[in-house]
Amino acid sequence: AQTVTQSQPEMSVQEAETVTLSCTYDTSENNYYLFWYKQPPSRQMILVIRQEAYKQQNATENRFSVNFQKAAKSFSLKISDSQLGDTAMYFCASLYNNNDMRFGAGTRLTVKP
Amino acid sequence: EADIYQTPRYLVIGTGKKITLECSQTMGHDKMYWYQQDPGMELHLIHYSYGVNSTEKGDLSSESTVSRIRTEHFPLTLESARPSHTSQYLCASSGADTQYFGPGTRLTVL
Repeated sequence: AQTVTQSQPEMSVQEAETVTLSCTYDTSENNYYLFWYKQPPSRQMILVIRQEAYKQQNATENRFSVNFQKAAKSFSLKISDSQLGDTAMYFCASLYNNNDMRFGAGTRLTVKP
Repeated sequence: EADIYQTPRYLVIGTGKKITLECSQTMGHDKMYWYQQDPGMELHLIHYSYGVNSTEKGDLSSESTVSRIRTEHFPLTLESARPSHTSQYLCASSGADTQYFGPGTRLTVL
């Protein structure tokens, strides 16, 4: 079975600092996609960043970047210059065969002023 | 603007009532999904659809049912609500790969 593991239930970071959220996944598939989603308190789940497994280059979206290690099946999210608005639950997810989406249990990130 | 909508946003209802949670999307997506999520916890897939007249059960067993008569509409129905159904219900849709989520319905059954 495909699984996604987020080993950090909670993390905190000081405003303006950098934080890295961990995610590992398990699959025998060769073609898949990886995602990070953000869910602020009582607000809508939104896509943060998306990575195609066949692309070696790490995806970047402004202050958000990933470290994709395909052989190690690792997909960590780095948030640079953390802002108070980054406080949220972050979910790592993987998609196999364009139909089977798996989510991790989430990491609760708190950005402290 | 293309988006995904859920109504109601909040619902408090008594045990035994029949309820329907609405989900509509204007993104032209074929695939739609329902997830159940306790606040701040992981998501559990309860239903999905790959197109009109297509519905499947997800990983988490649910007493709810869904229908997909129109591409843009994917309502979820509970015939007889119980306190164990208290949760947040998230609707999502996707085209090729990325799933986009609605704002959710927070359901409380007394």
